[in-house]
Amino acid sequence: DSGVTQTPKHLITATGQRVTLRCSPRSGDLSVYWYQQSLDQGLQFLIQYYNGEERAKGNILERFSAQQFPDLHSELNLSSLELGDSALYFCASSLTTSNYGYTFGSGTRLTVV
Amino acid sequence: AQSVTQPDIHITVSEGASLELRCNYSYGATPYLFWYVQSPGQGLQLLLKYFSGDTLVQGIKGFEAEFKRSQSSFNLRKPSVHWSDAAEYFCAVGASGGSYIPTFGRGTSLIVHP
Repeated sequence: DSGVTQTPKHLITATGQRVTLRCSPRSGDLSVYWYQQSLDQGLQFLIQYYNGEERAKGNILERFSAQQFPDLHSELNLSSLELGDSALYFCASSLTTSNYGYTFGSGTRLTVV
Repeated sequence: AQSVTQPDIHITVSEGASLELRCNYSYGATPYLFWYVQSPGQGLQLLLKYFSGDTLVQGIKGFEAEFKRSQSSFNLRKPSVHWSDAAEYFCAVGASGGSYIPTFGRGTSLIVHP
């Protein structure tokens, strides 16, 4: 157990729907990162939050959004889902904004049918 | 912009044999370098990291990596592979100064034969 908790582990939904993925960072970590892992794109950085504020944005689609709450857990919202959004979504956390190495959760596997 | 190349998509070794996974990076200054391992159904686990100093870095599970600036490489090695090492291995490069998000390579899948 890495200490980063992601729920749900698996999610199957239909095209056009909206889903929310949840992440609880490791205790004491203030920074949360979201990544998408797919066979064709590899591991892609989506977005980073630090202590409730957005800090960095990567290849995140406009249909996707995220937030970090006062208790530091984070949610990634995916809307108007398409088949191509099927992927593993990972959350990682770190103590600060510095990239000294992240702790990853075990991921949420999203299947869009 | 930073980039990472892992030239080998798959590597097959026999249990007990030595292992070297290749990683080449592109970055204009001194990079931060990482190796992560991903077991099936799991998230990525940090094996080791290089920021500065000794270019030979020791990590967990008996892995080591060597930073070679002249070759822009950060290859991962293990002297004797165990069946439990079968996994996906990712190299990542980040900018020095720590505030930039690392870029990950596409990964190398390690297959271990008994």
